[in-house]
Amino acid sequence: GAVVSQHPSWVICKSGTSVKIECRSLDFQATTMFWYRQFPKQSLMLMATSNEGSKATYEQGVEKDKFLINHASLTLSTLTVTSAHPEDSSFYICSARDPGRGSEKLFFGSGTQLSVL
Amino acid sequence: DAKTTQPPSMDCAEGRAANLPCNHSTISGNEYVYWYRQIHSQGPQYIIHGLKNNETNEMASLIITEDRKSSTLILPHATLRDTAVYYCIVRVGDYGQNFVFGPGTRLSVLP
Repeated sequence: GAVVSQHPSWVICKSGTSVKIECRSLDFQATTMFWYRQFPKQSLMLMATSNEGSKATYEQGVEKDKFLINHASLTLSTLTVTSAHPEDSSFYICSARDPGRGSEKLFFGSGTQLSVL
Repeated sequence: DAKTTQPPSMDCAEGRAANLPCNHSTISGNEYVYWYRQIHSQGPQYIIHGLKNNETNEMASLIITEDRKSSTLILPHATLRDTAVYYCIVRVGDYGQNFVFGPGTRLSVLP
């Protein structure tokens, strides 16, 4: 299937620092990417929809100034967690559709485990 | 909100078929049934999807009831590597709508 690469796979940072997570579509162009967050033993929760060349759409309750999303190209979206705090520790997952394989499938990255000390 | 109901957990013996049920009694005529699975600490993996006909691929089979109010994912010969959380999702199969994940079913394949 289509490949979505996410980097880094895990990161540990100090409270107050910013962390950037990259999501790349390796063999297709993705005009739309999605960012999810998953807390331990819980399901995935959609945070925002990233649109190439325009502002991201955030879900209710997600602070757009804290979770900065940039989708500057058709193959790259980034999520920056600004001024991270321990409560931001979570598993972050990106996903994208491959228009060439039918818009109905969603392919996921391998996830990034963020631990804020 | 997720539009599906799944049992929270199931066990299956290695080598046997794993049958995972999903109820979606409020499904609309243009909504597809999707199945994904998530192995611990990884991103979800696409398994299969269908509208009203039964579907089969190299990973699994999807059986959808005639009234489309429920479906069953079948892993014909479960292995230990199939231990994961399985998510049943219903959504319109167009470009705009996102995927809403419920709690899923935690399948444990036992040796």
